[in-house]
This record gives sequence, C-alpha cells and structure tokens, in this order.
Amino acid sequence: GAGVSQSPSNKVTEKGKDVELRCDPISGHTALYWYRQSLGQGLEFLIYFQGNSAPDKSGLPSDRFSAERTGGSVSTLTIQRTQQEDSAVYLCASSRTVYEQYFGPGTRLTVT
Amino acid sequence: GQNIDQPTEMTATEGAIVQINCTYQTSGFNGLFWYQQHAGEAPTFLSYNVLDGLEEKGRFSSFLSRSKGYSYLLLKELQMKDSASYLCAVRNTGGFKTIFGAGTRLFVKA
Repeated sequence: GAGVSQSPSNKVTEKGKDVELRCDPISGHTALYWYRQSLGQGLEFLIYFQGNSAPDKSGLPSDRFSAERTGGSVSTLTIQRTQQEDSAVYLCASSRTVYEQYFGPGTRLTVT
Repeated sequence: GQNIDQPTEMTATEGAIVQINCTYQTSGFNGLFWYQQHAGEAPTFLSYNVLDGLEEKGRFSSFLSRSKGYSYLLLKELQMKDSASYLCAVRNTGGFKTIFGAGTRLFVKA
C-alpha cells in the first residue's frame, strides 16, 4: 500500500514568511508524528497526534510553530515568521501500534 | 531531563561484527527502538525492545537492560550497504512520544 507522503519535498522561503508543510499518513494509522532533523543531527520531536486525544505539543520549539490534523488523517505543520534556524528536514511519521513508526520522505526547508 | 547517548561515528570492516551502544536517561520508559537511516533518506525501523534481553532478527540483534538504561545494536556479517546512521530512540510511558538520540554514523570499509 501507499506509504507516508509529504509535500512539498523542498521549500525555499525568505526569512519572515510563513510556510505550511503537509503530511499524508498511511491509511488507518491513528498516530502521527512530526520531527525535524538538522544536517548531521538526530531527530528532534516536535508534536504527535493520537486518535481523538489532545496532541502532545511538548516538542514545539516556539509559538511560531503549530500543527493540526484534520479528520484524523492529513496533518499540516505551520511555521510562522520563519527564521534561518528553522532550516532543516521536517519528517512526518505514522503508526498504528506502539511499535514501529513509518516515516515519510521529508520536506527540506531552507530559509534564506 | 531526558538524554540518549550514542557514539558519533564508528568504522568497521566488511564481514565483521560491530556493536553500537546506546545509554538513556528518560522520564519514563515504554520501549526502545533502533532505526537505520541512509544519507538523504528517511529512517526505517530495525528493532523494538521492551523487555530485558536479546532480540535477534537476521543479521541484526538488539539488546536491552532496563536497570542499566542500556541497549546495543549488533550487526553481523557487515555489508557495504550497512553504511548508514543508526538511531536509538526511547518511547515514554503513557503515550507514543518518542525521543531519538543523535545517531551513530557507521562506515563499513572493504
């Protein structure tokens, strides 16, 4: 079946602009996660959604970051007033159980 | 606080065995994962341990000691394609939140 998809694959934006990153999880997966990965670094947890429960936003680095998940499926991560330090690969993952997460290909964000 | 430590880089020879260690200090524990990530690609799942002991899956094995906050990933019969980053991750109790270490870059040489 189809895996996790993310769009766009690459995004270049000017400092101060807002960006929206989209994630389509695997159908039937109730949990959805957002991470970011800076060059050569590990994954930094941002937020996760589990079913109809309130999302765990404890990893969002500032109030410029927000995410929503509509209809228990597609999720959008929004970064307002982007800064150069926001440049990273943003990875989305989904899972059906407490076991493995399935990752999408990521969105490479470059803030100039 | 939460902390996951792994060596930054390791080098091993094709056909050999390599052990990648991971130590963790987290506010809760509900399982430890290992993921493989090739350069420029997304991570892919390798193993999951929630009880103490060794889990074997083909050429890869993963060990967990909860009392010591310690895990290792053992790769046998190394192949060139095993050159990648290996990420250790811990799931907190009470949910799906997962904290990742910085990863260990493994270089396999001929």
